[in-house]
Amino acid sequence: SQKIEQNSEALNIQEGKTATLTCNYTNYSPAYLQWYRQDPGRGPVFLLLIRENEKEKRKERLKVTFDTTLKQSLFHITASQPADSATYLCALEANAGNMLTFGGGTRLMVKP
Amino acid sequence: DAGVIQSPRHEVTEMGQEVTLRCKPISGHNSLFWYRQTMMRGLELLIYFNNNVPIDDSGMPEDRFSAKMPNASFSTLKIQPSEPRDSAVYFCASSLGGAGEKLFFGSGTQLSVL
Repeated sequence: SQKIEQNSEALNIQEGKTATLTCNYTNYSPAYLQWYRQDPGRGPVFLLLIRENEKEKRKERLKVTFDTTLKQSLFHITASQPADSATYLCALEANAGNMLTFGGGTRLMVKP
Repeated sequence: DAGVIQSPRHEVTEMGQEVTLRCKPISGHNSLFWYRQTMMRGLELLIYFNNNVPIDDSGMPEDRFSAKMPNASFSTLKIQPSEPRDSAVYFCASSLGGAGEKLFFGSGTQLSVL
């Protein structure tokens, strides 16, 4: 069956360090992979999209990699700040188009 | 634009009652999605509309759930009769439609069925 796995345990890091979050999937052939941020009591907010033929995408302090051989995406936040503390969700879109399936999310805690 | 607007923000009801959740998507967006989020199951897609037409409702749990989109600016998700296991946060999201488009989520409706 199709599965999207993110580490359910919270990731605790020190301010200024790089946070790396993992998204693994099985039985998918995603055309696109997206990352969202969710704060408590709010809906997810889009951060980055990466296509199946792209290896890496950057936006300010954020970097996403996409390895379709390993079936894995890594999400990096460099020079992390306490304000980066949130839950981060990956989402896959198959070639059928426009239906996003989300992983369970990983909670990131950045300590000052 | 005000973004995706959902109402009510919180709903507490008793088992067996009908519940109606409402959503106003972003103007100009062609696709609308209803998701349900729980600690156990995460964010699950319930139903997806494109140009007001339901495209995929395979995520709707059972016949107690129904969704409509009578026009481009309004959608409802109805649960009748409600059960305690329906307690969750229900999100509506919209997008421009088409492959690779990002979703814009509302703030959600926290539903508690007692």
